[in-house]
Amino acid sequence: AQTVTQSQPEMSVQEAETVTLSCTYDTSESDYYLFWYKQPPSRQMILVIRQEAYKQQNATENRFSVNFQKAAKSFSLKISDSQLGDAAMYFCAYRVFQGGSEKLVFGKGTKLTVNP
Amino acid sequence: GAGVSQTPSNKVTEKGKYVELRCDPISGHTALYWYRQSLGQGPEFLIYFQGTGAADDSGLPNDRFFAVRPEGSVSTLKIQRTERGDSAVYLCASGRTGALQETQYFGPGTRLLVL
Repeated sequence: AQTVTQSQPEMSVQEAETVTLSCTYDTSESDYYLFWYKQPPSRQMILVIRQEAYKQQNATENRFSVNFQKAAKSFSLKISDSQLGDAAMYFCAYRVFQGGSEKLVFGKGTKLTVNP
Repeated sequence: GAGVSQTPSNKVTEKGKYVELRCDPISGHTALYWYRQSLGQGPEFLIYFQGTGAADDSGLPNDRFFAVRPEGSVSTLKIQRTERGDSAVYLCASGRTGALQETQYFGPGTRLLVL
């Protein structure tokens, strides 16, 4: 079964500090993509960052970066210089093409609180 | 340009009733996805359309759930004989072609409450 595990239901960070959210996944496929989505109270899922499995270099997007460990099937998200607007649910997901279809498989999420 | 829109934003219905949830994808996007997000969970895949056809409906929980996309644009998720366990947020997403590397753009969801 294809699964995504986020072991931290909740995390908190002080404004301007750095926080790391954990994610592990399980797949037998060799070609896939990994994503972190942010979901604020408005419910709209917003893409934060993505990583191609065949790329060894970790993706970065401004204050957001990932630590992708393919052998360990680990994909953590680091948020630097945390801002109040970063407070939200964060979901790790992967996407694989299988059997003529492709879809996102999500973890259960981590609720991030940013303290002023 | 306009993003993915979903209507209604909230829907309250009684057990046993029929409901329809609508998704308007981004113009020109051929790929459309429905997900269901229960309280405290991540979204779970329901169905994927490529154009007018359902390429993968393996996530639909049972035959009470059905979705259509007759003209390859707007999609409707239909739930018959609703049950309390159907209460969730139903998310729609679209993608330009459905390729693996593409971003899926999500709508704000419809929160369904079955009393």
